[in-house]
Amino acid sequence: DTGVSQNPRHKITKRGQNVTFRCDPISEHNRLYWYRQTLGQGPEFLTYFQNEAQLEKSRLLSDRFSAERPKGSFSTLEIQRTEQGDSAMYLCASRSLGGHMNEQFFGPGTRLTVL
Amino acid sequence: AQTVTQSQPEMSVQEAETVTLSCTYDTSESNYYLFWYKQPPSRQMILVIRQEAYKQQNATENRFSVNFQKAAKSFSLKISDSQLGDTAMYFCAFMSPGGGADGLTFGKGTHLIIQP
Repeated sequence: DTGVSQNPRHKITKRGQNVTFRCDPISEHNRLYWYRQTLGQGPEFLTYFQNEAQLEKSRLLSDRFSAERPKGSFSTLEIQRTEQGDSAMYLCASRSLGGHMNEQFFGPGTRLTVL
Repeated sequence: AQTVTQSQPEMSVQEAETVTLSCTYDTSESNYYLFWYKQPPSRQMILVIRQEAYKQQNATENRFSVNFQKAAKSFSLKISDSQLGDTAMYFCAFMSPGGGADGLTFGKGTHLIIQP
């Protein structure tokens, strides 16, 4: 088990372009979370999945954002028509339902820069 | 909605000293979990220590311990015998296990610098 992985680690795009990020959770973890972290701030919750079902979406997740976890394993986060305000670190985390003390394990993040 | 406040944007101490990071939170829940996460420069976030609200005993993990004051809604982190590798952003986080909400609510973080 190599932990939570995210790809790409860095993404630079032009305003208006679409981008997609991938997260591979720890293999036995059935819950997967997406967070956004802007410079100088703590991570903010975006959405989470239990297996393939998306159970909660934050109001931060505008219509331009969509997340999927089609087979209950990896997840993708897509941002359409990117804006400069989307520039941030996008963090993925996973945990096992009923796991010890509800600990979430974080990936290294994808840093998005929108020019 | 829960809120988490970390009032110290940055702290700096000498190696081997003890340092305390403060965190307060606001919630109407009675059962919840509190966490301290560490985010080293350009590295991923890792859990430092956690506390269940119904446990009165303060959690301890080696050099790390917490002072959990439920009535005051305070959850401070004490780092003893600080080391250069403790230099990082530290985030206090809250989670309520009830209902459909399952994400962590984080504070803005404290940048801890350990000076040699």
